[in-house]
Amino acid sequence: DTAVSQTPKYLVTQMGNDKSIKCEQNLGHDTMYWYKQDSKKFLKIMFSYNNKELIINETVPNRFSPKSPDKAHLNLHINSLELGDSAVYFCASSQARGWNQETQYFGPGTRLLVL
Amino acid sequence: QKEVEQNSGPLSVPEGAIASLNCTYSDRGSQSFFWYRQYSGKSPELIMFIYSNGDKEDGRFTAQLNKASQYVSLLIRDSQPSDSATYLCAVKGQGAQKLVFGQGTRLTINP
Repeated sequence: DTAVSQTPKYLVTQMGNDKSIKCEQNLGHDTMYWYKQDSKKFLKIMFSYNNKELIINETVPNRFSPKSPDKAHLNLHINSLELGDSAVYFCASSQARGWNQETQYFGPGTRLLVL
Repeated sequence: QKEVEQNSGPLSVPEGAIASLNCTYSDRGSQSFFWYRQYSGKSPELIMFIYSNGDKEDGRFTAQLNKASQYVSLLIRDSQPSDSATYLCAVKGQGAQKLVFGQGTRLTINP
C-alpha cells in the first residue's frame, strides 16, 4: 500500500563507487522528483520528470544521472561517489491539477553515507 | 539572499499554546505556498497549501499569506507534543515547475 517507495533505505559505500537508488510510485501520478536533503535539513530539488520527460535539471554534477523507464519509476544513478554526496535522497511524485496547485508526496528517503 | 527563508529555531512552545512559524520569500511572482512537516528521520508530509492572500484554516492549523509583504506563516493552535517536528515552507513561482524549500524551523512543544 506504500504510495512512494524507495530502495534501498540505507546505503553505505566507499568513495569512488557507483550506486543506484530506485523509486516507484503507485499513485498514478505523472510527475516525479529527486531531492537531496543535507545535514542541515535543507531540501533541494535535483531533477524532475513528467511522463518520462526530463523537465527540471538543477545545477547538479553530471555524476548524477536520472532515468525514468516509465511514469511510475524514477531511478538515480551516481557515479564516482564523493564524501559530499552523503545526504538523504528523497523521491517524490505529484499530479498537477492545475498550474497553481500541486501536492507532492514524498518517499521514505534513502540515507547515503560515503566513506 | 536565499529564495525562501525561515528561522531555523529551535522554537520552543509550551503545550496548549499557539506556535507561530514564519517564512519569507524573494520572488514576488510566487503563486503557491506550502507547509510541510517533517519528523526526525522521516519524510516531509504536506500540512497545508495556500495561494490567496489572507487566512486558510484546517483544524488546529492556520496558514496566513501576505503577498505584498512576501511572507507566509503557519499557526498551530492548542499545540501538542506530537506537533514537535521541523516545519518546511515551500514556494512555487508563477509558471514554475519546482518547489523551493526553506531550511525549516525546528519546533519543540514542551509538556
